[in-house]
Amino acid sequence: QSALTQPPSVSGAPGQTITISCTGSSSDMGAGYAVHWYQLLPGAGPKLIIYGNNNRPSGVPDRFSGSKSGTSASLAITGLQPEDEADYYCQSYDARLTACVFGIGTKVTVL
Amino acid sequence: QVQLRQSGPGLVKPSQTLSVTCVISGESVTSNSAAWTWIRQSPSRGLEWLGRTYYMSKWYNDYTLSVRSRMVISPDTSKNQVSLQLNSVTLEDTAVYYCARENISGGYYYFDSWGQGSSVSVSS
Repeated sequence: QSALTQPPSVSGAPGQTITISCTGSSSDMGAGYAVHWYQLLPGAGPKLIIYGNNNRPSGVPDRFSGSKSGTSASLAITGLQPEDEADYYCQSYDARLTACVFGIGTKVTVL
Repeated sequence: QVQLRQSGPGLVKPSQTLSVTCVISGESVTSNSAAWTWIRQSPSRGLEWLGRTYYMSKWYNDYTLSVRSRMVISPDTSKNQVSLQLNSVTLEDTAVYYCARENISGGYYYFDSWGQGSSVSVSS
């Protein structure tokens, strides 16, 4: 099962803005399927933070934002907070595999 | 608000069968806007989508290629739950297993509710 490509780690100081990239292919994001983002805090289950490329579920702070263009997407965290230190995963749907696919995950470290 | 409560073993021996159950509250397992999905997480592979079951006038199942021959996802409408069965497990099946509600309406496929996770170790 092919995975979406993410950087293994990103770091930033409190208050800074960081972005996490997610690269797919012509059979997933490039085919028009949306990208979604999840946050995994240590010891906790995944939490949906962005769906449909750029929509935030109720309760997710507006410092989280998403975008998508062609076969690439990104998650931005503005005004980075210590509690944002977690693993972040992008996810889409692959029409060729008829399966949901995840990125390999990006560890965000708040310096 | 959908809630998913999982139960399952912590330890499974190699070559045996792993079984995890997910009880759904707040939505019917036959909902036509949801699929009931199993996802696992391991340090080596991150999040891995395993498969799903959903009802659209009849039941459908999809499985990822790597486990297709060993996995069965079964709905139980009388108990409003879904179960995962993974046969012939190996050490590589050691992971935290999650059930999740997958939104399948509006052209989006994302996971908006998650169970608490079931940590499974495959060891003799």
